[in-house]
Amino acid sequence: DVKVTQSSRYLVKRTGEKVFLECVQDMDHENMFWYRQDPGLGLRLIYFSYDVKMKEKGDIPEGYSVSREKKERFSLILESASTNQTSMYLCASFNRDRVPYGYTFGSGTRLTVV
Amino acid sequence: DQQVKQNSPSLSVQEGRISILNCDYTNSMFDYFLWYKKYPAEGPTFLISISSIKDKNEDGRFTVFLNKSAKHLSLHIVPSQPGDSAVYFCAALAQGGSEKLVFGKGTKLTVNP
Repeated sequence: DVKVTQSSRYLVKRTGEKVFLECVQDMDHENMFWYRQDPGLGLRLIYFSYDVKMKEKGDIPEGYSVSREKKERFSLILESASTNQTSMYLCASFNRDRVPYGYTFGSGTRLTVV
Repeated sequence: DQQVKQNSPSLSVQEGRISILNCDYTNSMFDYFLWYKKYPAEGPTFLISISSIKDKNEDGRFTVFLNKSAKHLSLHIVPSQPGDSAVYFCAALAQGGSEKLVFGKGTKLTVNP
């Protein structure tokens, strides 16, 4: 089974800090995604990547950037953390090699910005 | 504009009864649909999927129905169990496109003992 690992389950950061969220997948998937989940708003796409060094903005990219230097690793960066970035962050990779197609998600990182 | 809509934010059912979660979509290019289940403080996990060439897919207690003409799908859970209490997300994909899943906002299911 595909495994998607997010480096931290819980993080507390101060306003203005630069924050790195790491995600690693072990199945050589090309497509990786970063979402945030907030109550009543569902899953909102921040950024995604089709391949190494390729990235595209999702629906809510403001205040975020990403890095994909290796195929298995996709990092989300909060350039200057703010309290409205307190959220659950979810990384996913896309399986298109076998049915069922779709995402495998990591366990999530609950980020609190104080 | 929301392409995938789950109009019920929450649903409460009794243990042993049927749970029906609904999802509507607007984009006729969607041809593959998935349901994910999410517990608090965990990532979503895949539950069941259906291709647009089918109108029903069953896996144990879970059945997904697709009505293409109405652009509507539903997830049936029979019988419901307390452990099914979670948030359920409907998602849609246009295969051959960007491989970006489009998610609904989720329905929180509570199964009461």
